[in-house]
Amino acid sequence: GAVVSQHPSRVICKSGTSVKIECRSLDFQATTMFWYRQFPKQSLMLMATSNEGSKATYEQGVEKDKFLINHASLTLSTLTVTSAHPEDSSFYICSARDPGGQTYEQYFGPGTRLTVT
Amino acid sequence: GQSLEQPSEVTAVEGAIVQINCTYQTSGFYGLSWYQQHDGGAPTFLSYNALDGLEETGRFSSFLSRSDSYGYLLLQELQMKDSASYFCAVFSGGYNKLIFGAGTRLAVHP
Repeated sequence: GAVVSQHPSRVICKSGTSVKIECRSLDFQATTMFWYRQFPKQSLMLMATSNEGSKATYEQGVEKDKFLINHASLTLSTLTVTSAHPEDSSFYICSARDPGGQTYEQYFGPGTRLTVT
Repeated sequence: GQSLEQPSEVTAVEGAIVQINCTYQTSGFYGLSWYQQHDGGAPTFLSYNALDGLEETGRFSSFLSRSDSYGYLLLQELQMKDSASYFCAVFSGGYNKLIFGAGTRLAVHP
């Protein structure tokens, strides 16, 4: 099956700094990737849809200037949390849809645990 | 808008059968999906129903009734490794936006 990786798996940063999270599709080209956020024991909340070669589409309530998304190639999307604060601490998960697979199926990365101190 | 309701927790014993229900409200229905997530892990796709009826995949089955806006995930012959969170999800406005329910934590005991 299709594989999506994320790096890093865990990151601790100080308040006010920026953190970049990478999401890669390893064995397929993903024109569309998705970024989710998940708080402990809660659901996944879609933050934005990342489209290769164009601007990301952000969900209502998500600050586009704080969560910068870049989808520069068909296999890589990045999420940069700028000026991070403790309330940004969360589990960030990306997913992608394989254009050669089922439209309804998303492949998720293993997630990145961000802790802001 | 979209909303999904599912039980927060379910407990069962090994070898038993458990059913996790999901009711949804959505404008424009594109199907009901189910995902499994172990603690700290990635959600993995289990099933998708676009039409009414039962879909079976090994020990797992999923059912959909569009007229009732209702579906369920049926897990048979439960194993300890099935202890995880299970999310139902619907698409909103096409296949680009997946809305997840709050999740059901399944605990399987010996």
